[in-house]
Amino acid sequence: NAGVTQTPKFRILKIGQSMTLQCTQDMNHNYMYWYRQDPGMGLKLIYYSVGAGITDKGEVPNGYNVSRSTTEDFPLRLELAAPSQTSVYFCASSYNSNTEAFFGQGTRLTVV
Amino acid sequence: DQQVKQNSPSLSVQEGRISILNCDYTNSMFDYFLWYKKYPAEGPTFLISISSIKDKNEDGRFTVFLNKSAKHLSLHIVPSQPGDSAVYFCAASASSGGSNYKLTFGKGTLLTVNP
Repeated sequence: NAGVTQTPKFRILKIGQSMTLQCTQDMNHNYMYWYRQDPGMGLKLIYYSVGAGITDKGEVPNGYNVSRSTTEDFPLRLELAAPSQTSVYFCASSYNSNTEAFFGQGTRLTVV
Repeated sequence: DQQVKQNSPSLSVQEGRISILNCDYTNSMFDYFLWYKKYPAEGPTFLISISSIKDKNEDGRFTVFLNKSAKHLSLHIVPSQPGDSAVYFCAASASSGGSNYKLTFGKGTLLTVNP
């Protein structure tokens, strides 16, 4: 049982480049989330989705986009990478809003 | 505006003793609270949770206490073990209102258990 799988694990981007962070879950969870964690800080919500075809902004959505075409996948898109987007990104999923979320291993992104 | 606060960035305890990690929240709509544990280079893993209809939940060595009037929760680990050394995050969610569906996290407390 793979749970939540994120790819890639590490990536270095140049300023202005774009990339997609992939996230897939095999638990048939409706809810999926993207968080970023900066050093010494908690996890900040970027975007979330309560089901296929439905997405909404979290606390820090600027510079990112998401889509949710299937229950399993929730990719996060960076269109024009900026140094401020250097962070560790975590994808998570949960059955509903009042159950625990399961996290992926994270993607460490550096923008130079 | 931090809605979930963990005011102690770090805590150090001796093996076998009790570890107490604290968390305060400001949003009265929060009705579900969770603790996550995170090792370096890994994603957070769920540890224990509590609903606002309870004031205590216990799972083995881990107990979470909720004081709704004080908007405070704590995680007790007894006895502490070196393998418990990790960053612990407090998180909260609301089943209604503006925070619906979203887990809001504190900044975390680094627990070090010394042998």
